[in-house]
Amino acid sequence: DIQMTQSPSSLSASVGDRVTITCRASQGISNYLAWYQQKPGKVPKLLIYAASTLQSGVPSRFGGSGSGTDFTLTISSLQPEDVATYYCQKYNSAPQTFGQGTKVEIK
Amino acid sequence: QLQLQESGPGLVKPSETLSLTCTVSGGSISSSSYYWGWIRQPPGKGLEWIGSIFYSGSTYYNPSLKSRVTISVDTSKNQFSLKLSSVTAADTAVYYCARLVIDPNYYMDVWGKGTTVTVSS
Repeated sequence: DIQMTQSPSSLSASVGDRVTITCRASQGISNYLAWYQQKPGKVPKLLIYAASTLQSGVPSRFGGSGSGTDFTLTISSLQPEDVATYYCQKYNSAPQTFGQGTKVEIK
Repeated sequence: QLQLQESGPGLVKPSETLSLTCTVSGGSISSSSYYWGWIRQPPGKGLEWIGSIFYSGSTYYNPSLKSRVTISVDTSKNQFSLKLSSVTAADTAVYYCARLVIDPNYYMDVWGKGTTVTVSS
């Protein structure tokens, strides 16, 4: 099975900072990658699909890039409401594996 | 607006079968544009995809759970269901149902609120 590895596992940044989260697949998955945001005690929310397509209603400060094995989620200007755990997920084939998550906190 | 709602027992005994149902409202489960799936999250841990089903009944499962999982659909009730047999404490988790967009592969765009299932005697 293809493994998904996120880095870092956690980060702390200041409001207004640019934040970058990386997701690496153990084999190529084309652009079949989604990013989800899960706020504490809440349901996961789709942010990005097809590696770089922003889901409707998601703020434009969120962006995704990458193809093949290396992917990035960027928050261009971190806001207090962005405190959450972020998960990548591959969906090129079953099983639809998630990364282990990256916890984002405000410094 | 599409909504998904999980239902089922919150407590299951070890070795028994966990059974959950997801009721879809605000849209038809019989759409050719979507799969429907189950995902779980153990306490304090990450997300694990369990399996998915098309309205026709076509299924695919996580190989790590395949021997214990059955997902079925009831289009007349706009519901789909999960059965997980021979449960242990490791199956204690929040279980989510979700809609999967076929584009052409499947990502989850709408999630239920989740239901907590505890495996304990």
